[in-house]
Order: sequence, then structure tokens, then C-alpha cells
Amino acid sequence: SQTIHQWPATLVQPVGSPLSLECTVEGTSNPNLYWYRQAAGRGLQLLFYSVGIGQISSEVPQNLSASRPQDRQFILSSKKLLLSDSGFYLCAWSPGPETQYFGPGTRLLVL
Amino acid sequence: DQQVKQNSPSLSVQEGRISILNCDYTNSMFDYFLWYKKYPAEGPTFLISISSIKDKNEDGRFTVFLNKSAKHLSLHIVPSQPGDSAVYFCAASFPGAQKLVFGQGTRLTINP
Repeated sequence: SQTIHQWPATLVQPVGSPLSLECTVEGTSNPNLYWYRQAAGRGLQLLFYSVGIGQISSEVPQNLSASRPQDRQFILSSKKLLLSDSGFYLCAWSPGPETQYFGPGTRLLVL
Repeated sequence: DQQVKQNSPSLSVQEGRISILNCDYTNSMFDYFLWYKKYPAEGPTFLISISSIKDKNEDGRFTVFLNKSAKHLSLHIVPSQPGDSAVYFCAASFPGAQKLVFGQGTRLTINP
């Protein structure tokens, strides 16, 4: 069966510090991969998605970036965090264009 | 432009009764719709989906209805249970698109 991992589970970072969140999927190959953010009391905002290694589509211009160095690895990064980057970050995978399956999420607090 | 809208931010239902969560969409090109359930500090879990060629899909206590002419879908949960208390998101996709468009979510509270 397929599983999706995210780490860390919780992160507290100062403003201006870098960020690296990692997501890995097991039990499947060539999945579509997604990064979402849920701000407090808000819905799910799609940040990036990838249909293959090195292929990244950005949905929202911001100070975040994403990379897919391996087939089942998706990384969300920032060089300098802003207060507004605080939120709950979710990685998801999909075998195709339809149903997506989410990871457990990372809670990021920028102080 | 919010293409998928859940206009009720919250809903409170008595245990054992029916919960009805609503979702409206604006783009008639959407051809696949999904409902997700999310507990605090966890990732959303897939509940049920429906293709635009159908108007109803049922899975145990969960039924999704699609009204294409009204661009409206709803999720019925019957009977409602305390464990159903969560935030529910509807989502939609275009043919061949690699991504979903999510609504803002509705917080469902089941009261004993």
C-alpha cells in the first residue's frame, strides 16, 4: 500500500530564517505531488505541484519554492521566512489527475 | 475568483440526525467532484467522489448528490455520529487537469 510521510511535524522558526520541508511517498512510482498551505481558519491553498522529476508548477507567487529531486520526494523551501508563512503545510500525492491523498502535515510557526 | 464555494463556514447537527453539507461551483467544465474530511492538525482524508456523468453516489452513511444544472453538490451523512465532527472540504477537477480546486471548508459539529 502507498504511504506518504512529511517531516518535521512541527516547526518554529524566526523571521528571515530558511525553511526546508520534506515529503516522501512509498509504494508507488511517478506520482503527481502537491504542496498545500492551510492558514488559520482558512481553506486549502495549492502552492506547487509536480508531475515528474524536476517539473514544478507554481500556483501562487511568493517567497517559497519547491523541488523534486527524486521521483517520490518533494521539498518545499524558503530562503527567508515571513510571518505570513505561518500555517499548516500539507503534501499530497495522486496516481493521476483525480483523487489526491494527503500526508499528516507540518505545522509551521514563524515568530 | 473562488470557483468552488462552501458558503456555510459551520454546521451543527444532533447525533443521529442527517448532516447536509453544501458546495457550489461556477465552472461548468468541472467533471469530477470529491469530498474530504479533515481533523485538526491532520491531513484531509478522502471520503467520496462523483463523476459529472452521475447525479448520486453512495458509500455507507455518505451520499453525494450532484445537480449539474444548478452547479451544486451536497454531501449527506446519515445517521450523524460524534466522530463525524470535522472540517469538510469539497473539491473539483477539470478533465485531464493535474490539480484540484478546493472550497473553503465547512466545520461540522455533531452534538450528543
